[in-house]
Amino acid sequence: QVTLRESGPALVKPTQTLTLTCTFSGFSLSTFGMCVSWIRQPPGKALEWLALIDWDDDEYYSTSLKTRLTISKDTSKNQVVLTMTNMDPVDTAMYYCARIRAAAGTYTMDVWGQGTTVTVSS
Amino acid sequence: DIQMTQSPSSLSASVGDRVTITCQASQDIINYLNWYQQKPGKAPKLLIYDASYLETGVPSRFSGSGSGTDFTFTISSLQPEDIATYYCQQYDSLPPVFTFGPGTKVDI
Repeated sequence: QVTLRESGPALVKPTQTLTLTCTFSGFSLSTFGMCVSWIRQPPGKALEWLALIDWDDDEYYSTSLKTRLTISKDTSKNQVVLTMTNMDPVDTAMYYCARIRAAAGTYTMDVWGQGTTVTVSS
Repeated sequence: DIQMTQSPSSLSASVGDRVTITCQASQDIINYLNWYQQKPGKAPKLLIYDASYLETGVPSRFSGSGSGTDFTFTISSLQPEDIATYYCQQYDSLPPVFTFGPGTKVDI
């Protein structure tokens, strides 16, 4: 059974750096075709993709946020970490991690974590 | 970046009704289109991948079709447990970049 769980601070101050951890089980991020992605959802708004890291350590980022994001993985711990710098109140959102299965150029977010709420406020 | 539009933004239907949601991409995305269901307070759940393939374990009343720029998601017979917001999502594969539609809220 594949599961993912997000963890991190519930509250950060403006200008601070946010660090979120996705701990997963049921698959290995060193297996061909496996990826983990981060997605966020501001209250009452739509989903927004943030970043992806794949089995080959390749990293991909949202065009609009790439200067603020870093994604990394620790395969031995089954964890993926997302850092986002210079946090602002508009970054207040639910942050999700999701497994992506990649095959023949297709990408599918097939299992999601429950999400973690991040509020940016002084 | 590719833009996604969805219509309607919300709808109200009765149990047993056929419900159709459309999603349009700003350029040809072949069939790189997935559909997700999000119930209030919950994470999204994958229903349809690559435009028309039903994810394992998803009821057969859900279906998807389309290619290029125009896609359709259908619930053949709406059930009370289908109350949710439905999102389409497109992706580019080289490099992978993902865009979600604005969502369609379905009520009974």
